[in-house]
Amino acid sequence: AQKVTQAQTEISVVEKEDVTLDCVYETRDTTYYLFWYKQPPSGELVFLIRRNSFDEQNEISGRYSWNFQKSTSSFNFTITASQVVDSAVYFCAPDTGFQKLVFGTGTRLLVSP
Amino acid sequence: KAGVTQTPRYLIKTRGQQVTLSCSPISGHRSVSWYQQTPGQGLQFLFEYFSETQRNKGNFPGRFSGRQFSNSRSEMNVSTLELGDSALYLCASSPLAGVKSYNEQFFGPGTRLTVL
Repeated sequence: AQKVTQAQTEISVVEKEDVTLDCVYETRDTTYYLFWYKQPPSGELVFLIRRNSFDEQNEISGRYSWNFQKSTSSFNFTITASQVVDSAVYFCAPDTGFQKLVFGTGTRLLVSP
Repeated sequence: KAGVTQTPRYLIKTRGQQVTLSCSPISGHRSVSWYQQTPGQGLQFLFEYFSETQRNKGNFPGRFSGRQFSNSRSEMNVSTLELGDSALYLCASSPLAGVKSYNEQFFGPGTRLTVL
């Protein structure tokens, strides 16, 4: 069975700190994509990044970076120099086929000034 | 391009009633998915439609149903409402949708349903 784990329930940081959000996806599939979404207090899910299971190279986009470690099935997402507007719940979600996203329980990020 | 729109945004119903929620995808998107979000169960997949066909379904009772029209707009229906159906219902659209197309999904603002 597939299992998505976001062990961090809530993280609090002060503005400008870097923060890393963890996600572990256990599956027998060898090829898959995992997505990160952000849900601000308004409630709308906002797409952040998409990452595949066969590329372990780190990637950076603006203040966001992420990496995948195949040995531990870990998809980690890092926000550099966090800002108050980054305060939200962050979800990782693999696509298990036919657009079915299986969401983790989410990590609430609180960025204080 | 306009984003995904959902109507109504808020809805209050009583137990036993039925409800229909509507979703208009981004223009050109043919895949529409529905999700339920509750504090207890989190975000759960309901079903996905592509070209008016349901291709995938989550683990929900038959009271939850949906359909998709030829213009890709979608509706979901919940019959015989229960208190536990109170949730935020989110609709998402995607441009291409093969078995494993891995396209990002764009979500609407959701419909918050309260069952009294």
